[in-house]
Amino acid sequence: GAVVSQHPSWVICKSGTSVKIECRSLDFQATTMFWYRQFPKQSLMLMATSNEGSKATYEQGVEKDKFLINHASLTLSTLTVTSAHPEDSSFYICSARGSREGRETQYFGPGTRLLVL
Amino acid sequence: AQSVTQLDSHVSVSEGTPVLLRCNYSSSYSPSLFWYVQHPNKGLQLLLKYTSAATLVKGINGFEAEFKKSETSFHLTKPSAHMSDAAEYFCVVSEQAGTASKLTFGTGTRLQVTL
Repeated sequence: GAVVSQHPSWVICKSGTSVKIECRSLDFQATTMFWYRQFPKQSLMLMATSNEGSKATYEQGVEKDKFLINHASLTLSTLTVTSAHPEDSSFYICSARGSREGRETQYFGPGTRLLVL
Repeated sequence: AQSVTQLDSHVSVSEGTPVLLRCNYSSSYSPSLFWYVQHPNKGLQLLLKYTSAATLVKGINGFEAEFKKSETSFHLTKPSAHMSDAAEYFCVVSEQAGTASKLTFGTGTRLQVTL
């Protein structure tokens, strides 16, 4: 079964509103979480890396004030797209890394499809 | 800097025939290499990974890949394709061996399996 969940799985919002996406590790503690963005027919691009309890590290070109990341606990990270615009429409995927069944491993969530009208 | 190139954006095979998805990588250090599969509306699933142990890596669902340092390649193969193999496949490189601390994804190869 799934070990990383994302909520919501899809969301439609109006331009100018903010959207929050949750990423949860279900049966292990994620010391590090990653947020990716995937455009249609393209690869995954890493947006930011967050470690529990500290500020996220953003990749070059990613606006940290627009994509707010919070990693408040070892099982939850959130990505908030603030003042969303149509160009923010994309598929957002989180990934959680931590120790599971005695091994360091990394799992991906099922993704959240965002459509900004 | 690390990078990965998937040579084919789309591959079509008949059910029961072999599958070959090509991947070349570039890395400054000894890389870890992965193949992930993405089915529609599902999360990425790890097929297999290479982390400097045996160069021929066996994964799930009958897939395997061979690490060839001289060719900087990590091609994914399967002897006999099944309809359920139709999906998007990503070759991924990480320079930090043992843990995938920062993954660089290829552009993906869409595998189509026909009857």
